[in-house]
Amino acid sequence: GAGVSQSPSNKVTEKGKDVELRCDPISGHTALYWYRQSLGQGLEFLIYFQGNSAPDKSGLPSDRFSAERTGGSVSTLTIQRTQQEDSAVYLCASSGARDRVSGEQYFGPGTRLTVT
Amino acid sequence: TQLLEQSPQFLSIQEGENLTVYCNSSSVFSSLQWYRQEPGEGPVLLVTVVTGGEVKKLKRLTFQFGDARKDSSLHITAAQPGDTGLYLCAGQADRDDKIIFGKGTRLHILP
Repeated sequence: GAGVSQSPSNKVTEKGKDVELRCDPISGHTALYWYRQSLGQGLEFLIYFQGNSAPDKSGLPSDRFSAERTGGSVSTLTIQRTQQEDSAVYLCASSGARDRVSGEQYFGPGTRLTVT
Repeated sequence: TQLLEQSPQFLSIQEGENLTVYCNSSSVFSSLQWYRQEPGEGPVLLVTVVTGGEVKKLKRLTFQFGDARKDSSLHITAAQPGDTGLYLCAGQADRDDKIIFGKGTRLHILP
């Protein structure tokens, strides 16, 4: 079946502009995660959605970052007034009901964001 | 703060050599995953371990979960250039189900 998809794959934007990054999780997966990965680094947790529960936003670095998940499926990560330090690869992952118990996540290919 | 420490951070070895990567924490995990990430791609799940002392093998890769479920190791036998990549461990904390990632081990196998 289809895996996690993300769009766009690459985004170049000017400092100060807003950007929206999209994630389509695996169909039926109830949990969705956003991570940020700077060049050569590990994963930085941003936000986590689980079903209809309130999202865990504890990883969002500032109030310029927000995310929503519509209809329990597609998610959009929005970065307002982008700064150069926002340049990174943004990764989305999903996991299903069974996988949620075991912690397994399935990742998309990421969106590479470059702020000039 | 729950942390997963991975070591070494970087490893560059010759093809055919063996290596071990470690993932350590003071926290107990209900499960632990290992992922491999190649440039330009998202991490790909390699294995999940859930039982203390568990050993799983995936071809030349051997994964072990510590008896106390606080640490794990990944051993690669006769490394190949195709093993090159970033290896990430991730643990699901026993007390609150939160998933924590280590910072990764960047492995480079020289032909």
